[in-house]
Amino acid sequence: NAGVTQTPKFQVLKTGQSMTLQCAQDMNHNSMYWYRQDPGMGLRLIYYSASEGTTDKGEVPNGYNVSRLNKREFSLRLESAAPSQTSVYFCASSFSSAGFAVQPQHFGDGTRLSIL
Amino acid sequence: KQEVTQIPAALSVPEGENLVLNCSFTDSAIYNLQWFRQDPGKGLTSLLLIQSSQREQTSGRLNASLDKSSGRSTLYIAASQPGDSATYLCAVRSSGGSNYKLTFGKGTLLTVNP
Repeated sequence: NAGVTQTPKFQVLKTGQSMTLQCAQDMNHNSMYWYRQDPGMGLRLIYYSASEGTTDKGEVPNGYNVSRLNKREFSLRLESAAPSQTSVYFCASSFSSAGFAVQPQHFGDGTRLSIL
Repeated sequence: KQEVTQIPAALSVPEGENLVLNCSFTDSAIYNLQWFRQDPGKGLTSLLLIQSSQREQTSGRLNASLDKSSGRSTLYIAASQPGDSATYLCAVRSSGGSNYKLTFGKGTLLTVNP
């Protein structure tokens, strides 16, 4: 039972480099989310995808893009990495119905990203 | 804007003690409130989810209560064990604006000493 799988687990980038964080879930959830977790800031929503084919900005979307590739996969891209994007990134998924999510969100183990 | 506060930020107790973790939120218009556990270097594990119409939820030694009108929730852990040591996070889903957004507190770091 894999749940939510994130790759890579760790990554070090130089300022200006680009990369894509991958996320896949095997629970047939329709909604997926990307968060970042920073010390003293808690978790903040970057982007979410309520259902396949839709994406929306969260609280801190600047500097990021997302793609909902299919129902299982939701990727997060940093086009030009900046030191301020050093963080731990979490992907989550949940089942949503009737326009609002009532089921618990399930989280991956995170990607630890350092930007030098 | 919804804000979630968790008190205390850290708590250390001896094994076997019953304890309460607190969570407060500023906007009482919520769909639900969720308690999570996070172990070091790991993701979040959902513990309990309370819908806005519910007063409490129980799972094993855990009991979460919700008082929506006062903007408060508590997580009660009975007979604590060293394995309960982790960071506990609460998150609320507000009914205004984007109803997919969870607003998280900063967590309570719990240490249970053998």
